[in-house]
Parts: sequence; structure tokens; C-alpha cells
Amino acid sequence: GNSVTQMEGPVTLSEEAFLTINCTYTATGYPSLFWYVQYPGEGLQLLLKATKADDKGSNKGFEATYRKETTSFHLEKGSVQVSDSAVYFCALSDTQTGANNLFFGTGTRLTVIP
Amino acid sequence: GAGVSQSPRYKVAKRGQDVALRCDPISGHVSLFWYQQALGQGPEFLTYFQNEAQLDKSGLPSDRFFAERPEGSVSTLKIQRTQQEDSAVYLCASSPGTSGSQGVYEQYFGPGTRLTVT
Repeated sequence: GNSVTQMEGPVTLSEEAFLTINCTYTATGYPSLFWYVQYPGEGLQLLLKATKADDKGSNKGFEATYRKETTSFHLEKGSVQVSDSAVYFCALSDTQTGANNLFFGTGTRLTVIP
Repeated sequence: GAGVSQSPRYKVAKRGQDVALRCDPISGHVSLFWYQQALGQGPEFLTYFQNEAQLDKSGLPSDRFFAERPEGSVSTLKIQRTQQEDSAVYLCASSPGTSGSQGVYEQYFGPGTRLTVT
């Protein structure tokens, strides 16, 4: 089946620190991979995505590389800001099996302190 | 432009009551999804519509849950005889196309309806 295992939080970092949030997956087919972010008081927003092996998704200084050999899609940012404080969800969509829905991890809460 | 909207934002129901949750997707979006998010968890898929057709309802947890999208736009998720375990945030998402071998479409999420069953 399809599932996502995500690093548990919460994670607290100082401003300008390096961030890694680990994400691994299992999938029936060949999934597309996503990171969604939920800022306080707001809805889920797509942060970045990758649709095939070795693709790198990037946005707002965040990056994640689709690693088929390790079934991973770790999120990284070189220098976090207070405004990055949010809950981050790793997700997959196994569209090749005909399913359009997303499978989410449990989320990782990030707090960045000045 | 307008995003996905959901109403009500908060709903308190007594156990055994029926509730109806509304989703207004982005205009013209073909695909519509409902997810359930329990406290401290990631969203879990409930059901999927392509226009007015409900193509996947495999995530609905029981026959007390029912969803419709009669004109291919607004959707309603109905929960009959609510139970305490139904307490969660219900998220609606819409997407402009149908993901497949031709590409993957982003899902745009609404703010959710927080349902509390007492």
C-alpha cells in the first residue's frame, strides 16, 4: 500500500540554523512526492513537489530531492527564518495506479526562535 | 482570485445529530477531494469527485458518511448520527485537472471545518 513516514517533531531551531525534516515512503506504483506547509491560522499550501526520481523540488529556499533508491524525500533549508515556523507535511500521490488522492505523513511542527 | 472556501468554519454537534459541511471549490476545478484530519495527525483521504461523479469513496469510514457534488461545483459532506470519534477537521481540496501520466495537478486546500462532537 501507500504510506508516508515523517520525522516526528516538534523541532525547535534558532534563526539561520540548518533544517532537515526526514520523510520516507512506501508506494504501490511510482508516486509523485510533495511537501505541504500549514502556517498558523492558515490552510495547507503546496511548498514543493517532485514527480520522478532524482528530481529536486525547490521553493522559498526549501529543497527536497526524490530518492527512489532510498524511498526518501527529505526537506532541507540552509538558513531558517522565524517566518518559517509552521507544520510541514510530506505527502505522496500514486497517480499511476489511478488514485488522485494524497497520502500524508503525520506532520512536523517547526518553531524558529530569534 | 478566490480560493477554496468551507463553511461553517466551526461546528459543535451533540452525539447523534446529523451535520452537513459545505465546500466551494475554485471555479472551474474539475477534481474535488475531502480529507479528515484528526488532532496531531496528517489529513486522511475520504472521497474524490471528478466533476459530479464520485469516483472514489474508499476512505469514508462508515455508511454514516455521505458526500455529493450534484452540479460538479459545490460539494457537501454529510455525517449522520455523529459520534465522538468523528471529531476532527474536515478539509476540502480542489484541483484544475485529473492527475495521471500526463502530469500532476496541485491540490488547493480550504481552511477546513472543525467539527466537535460532544
